[in-house]
Amino acid sequence: DAGVIQSPRHEVTEMGQEVTLRCKPISGHNSLFWYRQTMMRGLELLIYFNNNVPIDDSGMPEDRFSAKMPNASFSTLKIQPSEPRDSAVYFCASSFPPDRDSSIGETQYFGPGTRLLVL
Amino acid sequence: AQSVTQLGSHVSVSEGALVLLRCNYSSSVPPYLFWYVQYPNQGLQLLLKYTSAATLVKGINGFEAEFKKSETSFHLTKPSAHMSDAAEYFCAVSLPSGNTPLVFGKGTRLSVIA
Repeated sequence: DAGVIQSPRHEVTEMGQEVTLRCKPISGHNSLFWYRQTMMRGLELLIYFNNNVPIDDSGMPEDRFSAKMPNASFSTLKIQPSEPRDSAVYFCASSFPPDRDSSIGETQYFGPGTRLLVL
Repeated sequence: AQSVTQLGSHVSVSEGALVLLRCNYSSSVPPYLFWYVQYPNQGLQLLLKYTSAATLVKGINGFEAEFKKSETSFHLTKPSAHMSDAAEYFCAVSLPSGNTPLVFGKGTRLSVIA
């Protein structure tokens, strides 16, 4: 299995530009999570989906952020317009349904992250 | 609400010495607990997890952790540090059901001195 795939791995953009981050979860996983990592705030949840449906987006900073999961194999996180304070590493993680195997259903598998720098 | 406190943002040990990384949690319900490791410029990798079975949990790379409800702790240990253990370690808590978000501690950077 290729693991969780994220693209791009690095993104440098100018303030005001639109940024789209992409994530392909592990096949068969039905939950997908977007986390953001910064020096000041550490790792924090932005939004998560179960069976392609957004469950909790309370971590999304503001209306400039939006996320979609049009199908089980793809999700996007969009920032429009971007600001310097959005600079961070954005991680996508996915997990199996909990009733599939109780020993692994709780484990979230993380992608390598997208390092975003907004100038 | 759930929260995690990791005591010590940076821990330094000699190669071959005991590794002890501290984690205390707060949760209104019996939690699931996790330790993840992050190497530079990489994603997070699961070391071990506690999901209400055995309180002493063994993970990869020789690490283990013990869930102590009375102390609300889930400290990570390894008897003998190796240079390759140098990384950032995160303790996390979640609700006792699958497919719920993780709440992370601030992380502890482990340095191993030759």
